[in-house]
Amino acid sequence: AQTVTQSQPEMSVQEAETVTLSCTYDTSESDYYLFWYKQPPSRQMILVIRQEAYKQQNATENRFSVNFQKAAKSFSLKISDSQLGDAAMYFCAYRSYYSGNTPLVFGKGTRLSVIA
Amino acid sequence: SQTIHQWPATLVQPVGSPLSLECTVEGTSNPNLYWYRQAAGRGLQLLFYSVGIGQISSEVPQNLSASRPQDRQFILSSKKLLLSDSGFYLCACREGLRNTIYFGEGSWLTVV
Repeated sequence: AQTVTQSQPEMSVQEAETVTLSCTYDTSESDYYLFWYKQPPSRQMILVIRQEAYKQQNATENRFSVNFQKAAKSFSLKISDSQLGDAAMYFCAYRSYYSGNTPLVFGKGTRLSVIA
Repeated sequence: SQTIHQWPATLVQPVGSPLSLECTVEGTSNPNLYWYRQAAGRGLQLLFYSVGIGQISSEVPQNLSASRPQDRQFILSSKKLLLSDSGFYLCACREGLRNTIYFGEGSWLTVV
């Protein structure tokens, strides 16, 4: 079974600075999807960024980018020019590519604080 | 793109009472649907998923059940709530084209 590990329960960053959240995963599959979700105080889970394992290019969405290291099974999220609205819980998640029915496997999350 | 609605948003129920949380999806057909629970200070736990009407898979044996009476409706139920059922319940839908899972606004359940 796949597992996702987020080793940083809490992180903080100064406004306008850059922060990197870590995520590692364990799988025997070669094709899969990786995601970062953001959960603000409203508790709704919002998709931040998505990466297909077969793509070598790292995904980017505005101020959010990932560093995907397939061999190391690492998938970190970089937030540039941090804003107060970025404060939230961030969850890394894995999903198998082969079975359309498989759900997401989540890490336990990293709480990000943004300091003004 | 699809929209996922959940209700009620907040619910306070006594121990032993029944539960019904509803989730409906707009903007897609034949979606894969999921129920997740997030207990206070913890990560997300998959409870049920469904690939079609009447098709339910349970991930964790427990006091809860799920049903899918219509293509875009997913219901989480309990006949008798326990204190441990308290938490934040999220309905999710898999969007086929991008193979990505999106979430509803969630339902807060407090069992007292």
